[in-house]
Amino acid sequence: SQQGEEDPQALSIQEGENATMNCSYKTSINNLQWYRQNSGRGLVHLILIRSNEREKHSGRLRVTLDTSKKSSSLLITASRAADTASYFCATAQYNTNAGKSTFGDGTTLTVKP
Amino acid sequence: DGGITQSPKYLFRKEGQNVTLSCEQNLNHDAMYWYRQDPGQGLRLIYYSQIVNDFQKGDIAEGYSVSREKKESFPLTVTSAQKNPTAFYLCASSMTGFGNQPQHFGDGTRLSIL
Repeated sequence: SQQGEEDPQALSIQEGENATMNCSYKTSINNLQWYRQNSGRGLVHLILIRSNEREKHSGRLRVTLDTSKKSSSLLITASRAADTASYFCATAQYNTNAGKSTFGDGTTLTVKP
Repeated sequence: DGGITQSPKYLFRKEGQNVTLSCEQNLNHDAMYWYRQDPGQGLRLIYYSQIVNDFQKGDIAEGYSVSREKKESFPLTVTSAQKNPTAFYLCASSMTGFGNQPQHFGDGTRLSIL
């Protein structure tokens, strides 16, 4: 079963606005990662947040993690048309299947110029 | 420039045919992964390898096979037993295979049935 689920499935905003995407998961995690995928390309790693961290920043990206609610959010500030892509969360657990990350179905972000 | 190279970019399979997708990395990473992505969906893990000469099945391994004879290479064979192979296939690598490392992805191979 899918560990991470993104919400919303699709998001359309104007350039300059902020975009917020959410990820919920079911079981305890070691860390959570966010990736970006442009159409027809591979995924690009954006940011990793560990289970003992609550917030992390990278440029215009801000990620929060709430382990009590089993959820994370990705905020992109001052969006640009070039931010148009799909965004995925991936969770990693330490169990007998160590080494596996589980990806959600993604949020498709469209930023209109 | 370090990275992951997948080839070919597009591949067509005839009925009953096995096809092999290539994945090469020059990042000196121990772990490598194969994912399948269907339209509008996320990634599903086919196989992964944490170290040379070792690999494990992922969530959807049936109809696929892999080998890991060299650290740099992790080819995926889509066999004739895979009845619905049309998808976008992504290869990735990470420094170690312990789920706490960012994965680096290639640009994928799009496989279709003729």
